[in-house]
Amino acid sequence: AQSVTQLGSHVSVSEGALVLLRCNYSSSVPPYLFWYVQYPNQGLQLLLKYTSAATLVKGINGFEAEFKKSETSFHLTKPSAHMSDAAEYFCAVRPLTLNYQLIWGAGTKLIIKP
Amino acid sequence: NAGVMQNPRHLVRRRGQEARLRCSPMKGHSHVYWYRQLPEEGLKFMVYLQKENIIDESGMPKERFSAEFPKEGPSILRIQQVVRGDSAAYFCASSKVADSTDTQYFGPGTRLTVL
Repeated sequence: AQSVTQLGSHVSVSEGALVLLRCNYSSSVPPYLFWYVQYPNQGLQLLLKYTSAATLVKGINGFEAEFKKSETSFHLTKPSAHMSDAAEYFCAVRPLTLNYQLIWGAGTKLIIKP
Repeated sequence: NAGVMQNPRHLVRRRGQEARLRCSPMKGHSHVYWYRQLPEEGLKFMVYLQKENIIDESGMPKERFSAEFPKEGPSILRIQQVVRGDSAAYFCASSKVADSTDTQYFGPGTRLTVL
C-alpha cells in the first residue's frame, strides 16, 4: 500500500529564513503529488500539485516543490518565511490506480519565530 | 463562486446519539469525498460518492457509518450511536471529474465532539 512520510511533526524557522518541509512517498510508479495548507480551524487549501509535467512546481504564496523520482521525494520550500505562513502543511499522493483517493502524510506544523 | 460548504462547523453529541454532517459541493462538481482527521493525524479517506451512487466506501467503518449523495440536496455523512472515538474533524471535498490530475476542493470541516 502507498504511504506518505512527512519528516518532522513540527518545524520552526525564523521570519525571513528558508522554509523546507519534507515529504517522501512509497511507490514504484510515481503518483500525482499535492501539498495542502491548513490554517487553524479551517479547511485545506491547495498549495500546489505535481501531475507529471515540470518537476519543479510553483504554487501560491511563494511556495514551490520539486519532484525527485530517484529520491521519491516532493519537498516543499519557500525562500523567505512570513509570519502568515504559520499553519499545518500536508503532503498527499493520489495513486494512478484508485485515482480518486488522496493518501495523506501526518502533517507538519510550521512555526515562525519573529 | 461559493466553495465547498459544510455544516454544522461544530457538533457536540452525547454517546449513543446520531450525528448528521452535511456537505454541499462546489457548483458544477458531481464528485464528493469524505475524509476524517483524528487529532494529531493526517486525513484518512472514508468514502467517494457521485450523484446517487456510492463508488467506494472502503475507508468507512462497517457499522454505524453511512453516506449518501442524493439527486437533490447536499451529501450527508451519518454516524449512528456515536462513541467517544468518533470525535474528529470530518472534511468533505468535491471535484469536477475524478481523474488523477483533478483538484479536490475542501470544505472547512465539521468538528465532532462526543461527550
